[in-house]
Amino acid sequence: AQKVTQAQTEISVVEKEDVTLDCVYETRDTTYYLFWYKQPPSGELVFLIRRNSFDEQNEISGRYSWNFQKSTSSFNFTITASQVVDSAVYFCALSEANGGKLIFGQGTELSVKP
Amino acid sequence: EAGVTQFPSHSVIEKGQTVTLRCDPISGHDNLYWYRRVMGKEIKFLLHFVKESKQDESGMPNNRFLAERTGGTYSTLKVQPAELEDSGVYFCASSLTRADTQYFGPGTRLTVL
Repeated sequence: AQKVTQAQTEISVVEKEDVTLDCVYETRDTTYYLFWYKQPPSGELVFLIRRNSFDEQNEISGRYSWNFQKSTSSFNFTITASQVVDSAVYFCALSEANGGKLIFGQGTELSVKP
Repeated sequence: EAGVTQFPSHSVIEKGQTVTLRCDPISGHDNLYWYRRVMGKEIKFLLHFVKESKQDESGMPNNRFLAERTGGTYSTLKVQPAELEDSGVYFCASSLTRADTQYFGPGTRLTVL
């Protein structure tokens, strides 16, 4: 069975600190996709990134970076120099290689204080 | 291009009443998904349409939930009769193909009293 675990329920940091959100997944599939979504206070789910299981290269997008390690079944998300606008709930998710339903973790609520 | 839209944004109903949620996917997206987040837990899959056909409805909790997508455009999710445990946020998502990224709507917050 597929499962995604986000062990950190809540994280609180001060602006400009770096913060890493952990995501650990379980799947028997050899190919799959991993995702991160952001849910700001306004409520909508905003797509951040999708990674194919074949591509273990780390990805950087501005202050955001993702570390995918197949050996530890982890897909961690780091925000560098956090800002108040980064305050949100962040969800990690998993799907089969051919798409379809997403399996979500419980989410990590990040609070960035000025 | 307009994103996924959902209506209403909030709904408060009494136990035993009926509620219908609506989702309009991104234009041209054949794949439409419904998810639900209950009481701060994880977001759980309910069902998946490809055009007007139900591709996967394994996440539907019981027969009080009925989803339709007539004509393969917008979709409705009806809860009848609503129970207290149905309270939560109902999200809709759409994708161009099954393998493409799913884009989510703003959700409908349902409160059953």
